[in-house]
Amino acid sequence: KAGVTQTPRYLIKTRGQQVTLSCSPISGHRSVSWYQQTPGQGLQFLFEYFSETQRNKGNFPGRFSGRQFSNSRSEMNVSTLELGDSALYLCASSWSPGQGVADTQYFGPGTRLTVL
Amino acid sequence: KQEVTQIPAALSVPEGENLVLNCSFTDSAIYNLQWFRQDPGKGLTSLLLIQSSQREQTSGRLNASLDKSSGRSTLYIAASQPGDSATYLCAVGNQVTPLVFGKGTRLSVIA
Repeated sequence: KAGVTQTPRYLIKTRGQQVTLSCSPISGHRSVSWYQQTPGQGLQFLFEYFSETQRNKGNFPGRFSGRQFSNSRSEMNVSTLELGDSALYLCASSWSPGQGVADTQYFGPGTRLTVL
Repeated sequence: KQEVTQIPAALSVPEGENLVLNCSFTDSAIYNLQWFRQDPGKGLTSLLLIQSSQREQTSGRLNASLDKSSGRSTLYIAASQPGDSATYLCAVGNQVTPLVFGKGTRLSVIA
């Protein structure tokens, strides 16, 4: 089974631009979560999608948004980029039949975003 | 708000030594606890998942325990090898967030 894939792997943008990152989950997984990793804050939860609906959301500004398609692929968008948005963005997928059911999260390799 | 702490932040041991990594969390209302490994510049590799109703899980040289009432978990690595060098992350899942992460323990195993 193919693992979680993320594209692109590396991205360089300038302040004020917007960016879209893509995540393809493991086949059969319906839950996709996004995380931001920075040296100072560590790994922080952005949002989770399940069956095309946002199920949970972390404490990030509205510039960060996401969506999930019917094939479970997910995209996240960051508008009006700031220098502080430079980070490794990781997505994870799981089978997760419903909230409250614990399931292993499988992570992709991440997208390294640099904002200049 | 759930907070996860990992001690120590960094650890260096000689090859062959057994070692224990510690993780604590503030809210015992968790669904699960998961240990991950992260190599520099890479994504996360899941090592072990412990459901909230379980006390421990084992995989090869790894053993993870969970004491939900005291908010603690340990990851035991037996007979450490240089290939075990990485950052080890502990994360808990709850109703609000799939995973809340600690800052990790950076492990170096010296040959």
